[in-house]
Amino acid sequence: QKEVEQDPGPLSVPEGAIVSLNCTYSNSAFQYFMWYRQYSRKGPELLMYTYSSGNKEDGRFTAQVDKSSKYISLFIRDSQPSDSATYLCAIDSSASKIIFGSGTRLSIRP
Amino acid sequence: DSGVTQTPKHLITATGQRVTLRCSPRSGDLSVYWYQQSLDQGLQFLIQYYNGEERAKGNILERFSAQQFPDLHSELNLSSLELGDSALYFCASSVDAADTGELFFGEGSRLTVL
Repeated sequence: QKEVEQDPGPLSVPEGAIVSLNCTYSNSAFQYFMWYRQYSRKGPELLMYTYSSGNKEDGRFTAQVDKSSKYISLFIRDSQPSDSATYLCAIDSSASKIIFGSGTRLSIRP
Repeated sequence: DSGVTQTPKHLITATGQRVTLRCSPRSGDLSVYWYQQSLDQGLQFLIQYYNGEERAKGNILERFSAQQFPDLHSELNLSSLELGDSALYFCASSVDAADTGELFFGEGSRLTVL
């Protein structure tokens, strides 16, 4: 079983829709959860960072962690064409390495 | 611009050859990470260096090696290349080894092995 599982998509939604991106993970000891965004031909960049369970909001983006079900989510409200990118969930395994999901390719249609 | 510089941006070589990828971290960052990204495997952690010392190792093949120099730049050496080594290789840096989650990635080196 992979440590982090993510649906690769692609996911295509109309502009203005709410987008939900999800990952599951295997180790209940994980505490630090991140979402990175990667535009085409660019390196990933950190979008959201959360510790333990709960929600964290930043503008149109909300990251949610449910440790009981080992499930992490990223919600994008009022999605824009500029949000079109690949979104990678990531977990700090506390073994000095950050484990990434395979990424979900998102396309926002104008 | 993340401040992390990788060279070369593109590299085409043949099976059996050896290549070296170079990374300059952000100014002040002591940790350097190498990741391999391919279509079917996603972003795979290879190795981390902190202030010149190897700190963590991931799924790095024995044919691959890396080092971090006193000026903190890092090189990833790939030898006896196989077709399956074709991928994007990313370098990332962070301030320290505490791994608070924020890695700054370069734009990657795209390796094609023919």
